[in-house]
Amino acid sequence: GQNIDQPTEMTATEGAIVQINCTYQTSGFNGLFWYQQHAGEAPTFLSYNVLDGLEEKGRFSSFLSRSKGYSYLLLKELQMKDSASYLCAVRYILTGGGNKLTFGTGTQLKVEL
Amino acid sequence: DVKVTQSSRYLVKRTGEKVFLECVQDMDHENMFWYRQDPGLGLRLIYFSYDVKMKEKGDIPEGYSVSREKKERFSLILESASTNQTSMYLCASSFGLGREKLFFGSGTQLSVL
Repeated sequence: GQNIDQPTEMTATEGAIVQINCTYQTSGFNGLFWYQQHAGEAPTFLSYNVLDGLEEKGRFSSFLSRSKGYSYLLLKELQMKDSASYLCAVRYILTGGGNKLTFGTGTQLKVEL
Repeated sequence: DVKVTQSSRYLVKRTGEKVFLECVQDMDHENMFWYRQDPGLGLRLIYFSYDVKMKEKGDIPEGYSVSREKKERFSLILESASTNQTSMYLCASSFGLGREKLFFGSGTQLSVL
């Protein structure tokens, strides 16, 4: 199967910067997504990377290195409302054709004063 | 904005009951998905559909079936509910081939007693 690893929990201070890492198996890789999920709510799309490099979108940025099977989500100027679970999801091309999206177990981020 | 609506937010059923979870999307998306989300296990794909009357098994289809009679509606069926099917169920939809950004419903917390 495709393993996706991300830290279970992280804590950071309001106003600071935090980096959430995600590592995955590279075979058949076809794109990586980050989703944000507040407690009791549905996940919402944050970013998508398919090529190497950094994608910036306001306070959030996502980086991808396909050769290393590695991505990170960077959150700047942290706010209390950023306290949430952050899900890394990888799309793989299946040997028989088609794609499959696999989610990591999520990183619970707690922002403190 | 895309809206994905799940019929129930909370549901309590008894072991052996037949359970229907309904999902409707309003953006003419081709793809629809059913996931379950459990602590420490992340989002796991149960079934998905790329077109009307079409269905494909996901990673954990055992004990579930689905129905897609109309493009906007995707139903998850638990033929005989069991306690290990107590979980948060999330429906999602997306456009066709491409980036496949998922839009999620708000979820149904199902408890099987």
